[in-house]
Amino acid sequence: SYELTQPPSVSVSPGQTARITCSGDALPKQYAYWYHQKPGQAPMLIIYKDSERPSGIPERFSGSSSGTTVTLTISGVQAEDEADYYCQSVDSSGTYVTFGGGAKLTVL
Amino acid sequence: EVQLVESGGGLVQPGGSLRLSCAASGFTFTRSWMSWVRQAPGKGLEWVANINQDGSQRYYVDSVKGRFTISRDNAKKSLFLQMNSLRAEDTAVYYCARGDYDILTGYYMDVWGKGTTVTVSS
Repeated sequence: SYELTQPPSVSVSPGQTARITCSGDALPKQYAYWYHQKPGQAPMLIIYKDSERPSGIPERFSGSSSGTTVTLTISGVQAEDEADYYCQSVDSSGTYVTFGGGAKLTVL
Repeated sequence: EVQLVESGGGLVQPGGSLRLSCAASGFTFTRSWMSWVRQAPGKGLEWVANINQDGSQRYYVDSVKGRFTISRDNAKKSLFLQMNSLRAEDTAVYYCARGDYDILTGYYMDVWGKGTTVTVSS
């Protein structure tokens, strides 16, 4: 089965920049998507097609892609950004969905 | 308002069955792929199944193939997940989600319900 690899945790101070990576063999050919999930809540889409932002998502959230790694960048981190962040993509066939293991962002 | 509301979760014994439902509103259900995603206690997200607009294409994660069936009723704007031969490891919050699929851009989920909890235990 296809796997996406994320760091389990990332910590930053308020106002700093947080970067969360996601690696997978099919990422050069398949888009990545990012979700965040706060405790007790459903996931929410924050980045689609590697770097596009849905309406209503703050500009401090951005995405990029390079080879087998995609990166979610949160500029000027705020306390309210503390959450679990998941990358998601599909396998090389384009059929089966995979999530990364999730990265817990802690705002110090 | 775009909304997905799951129901049908509960406590079931190992080997038992359960049918989850998801009621959709605020968007054109017949144009949308739909998905089930689950999250075991304290764990990450796991995709379970997808279904296309008319139900002719269905995809499952390997761990549920042959045990779970995703289906939909477009007239009632509803999505279902029939779960048979349940195991302890199926214990999770099950989310219904609206999908977006394109051969060029892949698949993702842009609207999520709040989830329904399934507990498999004796």
